[in-house]
Amino acid sequence: DTEVTQTPKHLVMGMTNKKSLKCEQHMGHRAMYWYKQKAKKPPELMFVYSYEKLSINESVPSRFSPECPNSSLLNLHLHALQPEDSALYLCASSIRTGSGNTIYFGEGSWLTVV
Amino acid sequence: GENVEQHPSTLSVQEGDSAVIKCTYSDSASNYFPWYKQELGKRPQLIIDIRSNVGEKKDQRIAVTLNKTAKHFSLHITETQPEDSAVYFCAASSYSGGGADGLTFGKGTHLIIQP
Repeated sequence: DTEVTQTPKHLVMGMTNKKSLKCEQHMGHRAMYWYKQKAKKPPELMFVYSYEKLSINESVPSRFSPECPNSSLLNLHLHALQPEDSALYLCASSIRTGSGNTIYFGEGSWLTVV
Repeated sequence: GENVEQHPSTLSVQEGDSAVIKCTYSDSASNYFPWYKQELGKRPQLIIDIRSNVGEKKDQRIAVTLNKTAKHFSLHITETQPEDSAVYFCAASSYSGGGADGLTFGKGTHLIIQP
């Protein structure tokens, strides 16, 4: 089973709201990722977690706050977002970080900021 | 950091013909090169990948070639079918001992299969 599950599938939030995106995998993967994808653009790496510790933060604004409560779960907390943050947010996982490990993507969460 | 260039941005081919998409990368330390297919409104799905210790890999109608000296890799789709229409992304990944990287993607190729 190569399943990465994301909720919610769609989210509309105001600029003053606080919301969270959730991601779950039960493949025993120890690396988890958040990517952001705008329309007609490639996915852009935001965060990498390795063994539940944040190993990469690609200069993402602090209004995005990742959290890895355990090896199966990854959250992305959202606060005071801007309309330009509207995008598809993809969670992904791999056995571990390091080149050569296949990265599997979830279905994504479509975020609209109004 | 890694930079991946992908060409063409749009490719239109007749059904049954072959399609070739090319990518170049900048970081000589990169050693893993996956290709993802993304249909409209869907997630990127891995279709084939190649590691730097091989030069070519094939899976039915899909093949990937890698030239490490020239730092380029290509996706070849033969006998194209309407369901091959999608956006294709190449990507590169490297691992440096002091850290860990996700994937760096090319800008994507919109493949259109004309009936």
